[in-house]
Amino acid sequence: DSGVTQTPKHLITATGQRVTLRCSPRSGDLSVYWYQQSLDQGLQFLIQYYNGEERAKGNILERFSAQQFPDLHSELNLSSLELGDSALYFCASSAARDNPYGYTFGSGTRLTVV
Amino acid sequence: AQKVTQAQTEISVVEKEDVTLDCVYETRDTTYYLFWYKQPPSGELVFLIRRNSFDEQNEISGRYSWNFQKSTSSFNFTITASQVVDSAVYFCALSEKGNSGGYQKVTFGTGTKLQVIP
Repeated sequence: DSGVTQTPKHLITATGQRVTLRCSPRSGDLSVYWYQQSLDQGLQFLIQYYNGEERAKGNILERFSAQQFPDLHSELNLSSLELGDSALYFCASSAARDNPYGYTFGSGTRLTVV
Repeated sequence: AQKVTQAQTEISVVEKEDVTLDCVYETRDTTYYLFWYKQPPSGELVFLIRRNSFDEQNEISGRYSWNFQKSTSSFNFTITASQVVDSAVYFCALSEKGNSGGYQKVTFGTGTKLQVIP
């Protein structure tokens, strides 16, 4: 167990729908990162939050949004879902705001859009 | 722009053979960090090693060893006496300073799928 908790583990939904993925970082970690792993794009950085504020943005679509709450858990909201959004979504956490030392990843949420 | 290339898409070896996974990176920064992660069939991403750009010492951890060569921009990973439990996808990754001055973004290679046959 890495200490980073992601729920749900699996999610199946229809096109056009909206889903929320949840991440609880490791105890003491203030930064949360979201990554998308798809067959065609590989592992892509989406967004980072540090202590409740957005810190960095990657290849995140406008249909996607995220936030980090005062208790430091984070949610990734995916709306107007398309078949191509089917992927494994990882959350990772680290203690620092700017962390070159690598992350601790959660076990991921597998999203299937049908 | 940063880029990580893992040219080997899939490798199959027989148990107890040694295997080397290649990783070549591109970066304009002089300070950067390199990583290897393992993704077993269960799907989680497991951190294996981190190396910063100023430390070219090779590292050995049990059956695992890493060869970092700045001259060729390579950070190769060798598994000695491979075991079935080593079967996984292995990712090489690079982190350099972003526009905001921090190391937020880690760029991953496309991964090498290793199958160890008993």
